[in-house]
Amino acid sequence: AQSVTQPDIHITVSEGASLELRCNYSYGATPYLFWYVQSPGQGLQLLLKYFSGDTLVQGIKGFEAEFKRSQSSFNLRKPSVHWSDAAEYFCAVARGTGSARQLTFGSGTQLTVLP
Amino acid sequence: DAGVTQSPTHLIKTRGQQVTLRCSPKSGHDTVSWYQQALGQGPQFIFQYYEEEERQRGNFPDRFSGHQFPNYSSELNVNALLLGDSALYLCASSYQSTGELFFGEGSRLTVL
Repeated sequence: AQSVTQPDIHITVSEGASLELRCNYSYGATPYLFWYVQSPGQGLQLLLKYFSGDTLVQGIKGFEAEFKRSQSSFNLRKPSVHWSDAAEYFCAVARGTGSARQLTFGSGTQLTVLP
Repeated sequence: DAGVTQSPTHLIKTRGQQVTLRCSPKSGHDTVSWYQQALGQGPQFIFQYYEEEERQRGNFPDRFSGHQFPNYSSELNVNALLLGDSALYLCASSYQSTGELFFGEGSRLTVL
């Protein structure tokens, strides 16, 4: 069975600083990987996804993620964090092809941004 | 264009009761998935409906059941509520099972 681990429960960064959120997955086949963001009282919003091809994927809001098969990782990065990025971030892996297949989520990383 | 809408937004039930949650998918979408998000956890897949049939199911007991209507809207029913059923229930819609998922804001269920 697939699983996703987000080792950092809570991360605090200053506005303007760089950000990296870690994600490790366990999956027997080629993974389909996603990063979602959830603001308080909001549903999940897709930031970016990886299916195949270029291992560095660009997403919305200036986020990017790099797929590293050798490390079973899919870390999310942003060069300069804005106060509006404060939210909870979830990494997920899909079983089977396509975005809407059954997703397995990590437990999330809460991001706090200091002024 | 309305996104995924869920109702009610909040509700409180007592143990042993039954609850029905509702979801209207985004316009043009025909597939609905339900997820349970306990406090401090990531969402967990409950099941997915397409063409009015349950197509995939996660590791949830039979107390959790669902339905999809001809207009693609969906209901999630939970019987014999337990304290552990307290969670945010998220509905997500897509165009068929390969389309991108769009999530609603969820229904917050509290079981006392």
